[in-house]
Amino acid sequence: NAGVTQTPKFQVLKTGQSMTLQCAQDMNHNSMYWYRQDPGMGLRLIYYSASEGTTDKGEVPNGYNVSRLNKREFSLRLESAAPSQTSVYFCASSVFGVGNEQFFGPGTRLTVL
Amino acid sequence: KQEVTQIPAALSVPEGENLVLNCSFTDSAIYNLQWFRQDPGKGLTSLLLIQSSQREQTSGRLNASLDKSSGRSTLYIAASQPGDSATYLCAVPFNFGNEKLTFGTGTRLTIIP
Repeated sequence: NAGVTQTPKFQVLKTGQSMTLQCAQDMNHNSMYWYRQDPGMGLRLIYYSASEGTTDKGEVPNGYNVSRLNKREFSLRLESAAPSQTSVYFCASSVFGVGNEQFFGPGTRLTVL
Repeated sequence: KQEVTQIPAALSVPEGENLVLNCSFTDSAIYNLQWFRQDPGKGLTSLLLIQSSQREQTSGRLNASLDKSSGRSTLYIAASQPGDSATYLCAVPFNFGNEKLTFGTGTRLTIIP
């Protein structure tokens, strides 16, 4: 099993450009998450999906959109990138339900100039 | 709102020593607590998940304890090795019954050979 995979690994954007970060998991998990990690701020939840077709906002959703394409895939879109969105983005998944472990992907390092 | 604190932010110890990492949280009504390890430039790896009904969880040289009433968890690492050098993060659900996690900012551990 590959676990949780993310593409791309690195990306540089100019202010105002758009892009989509891709995430896929092969563990048959129901729940998927997008986090961002910033120095001194820790990890913060952007969006969450409990199942295919459902999404819910996390702590910092502004400037982002998500799509739960199917059970395996959960994408994060930046419509108009801003320098404040420079960060490392992590996707995670878990079996649905409180109390289950979350498993993380390797991350995407995004720089917005 | 749940807040998670990890002190110290950084810790250096000689190889072979036993050590304890600390995690504090403000809302004691948690369902579980999860400890992660993050190597530089990598994603998070789940180490231990403690349910609220448990007081301890062990995996190899790692032992995590949970004291809900005082809002504290500790991660004990026995006979430390240079390969243990990493950042260790703890996380708890936003609130009781919630899958979404709140993370501490982590303790960066360096084991000196």
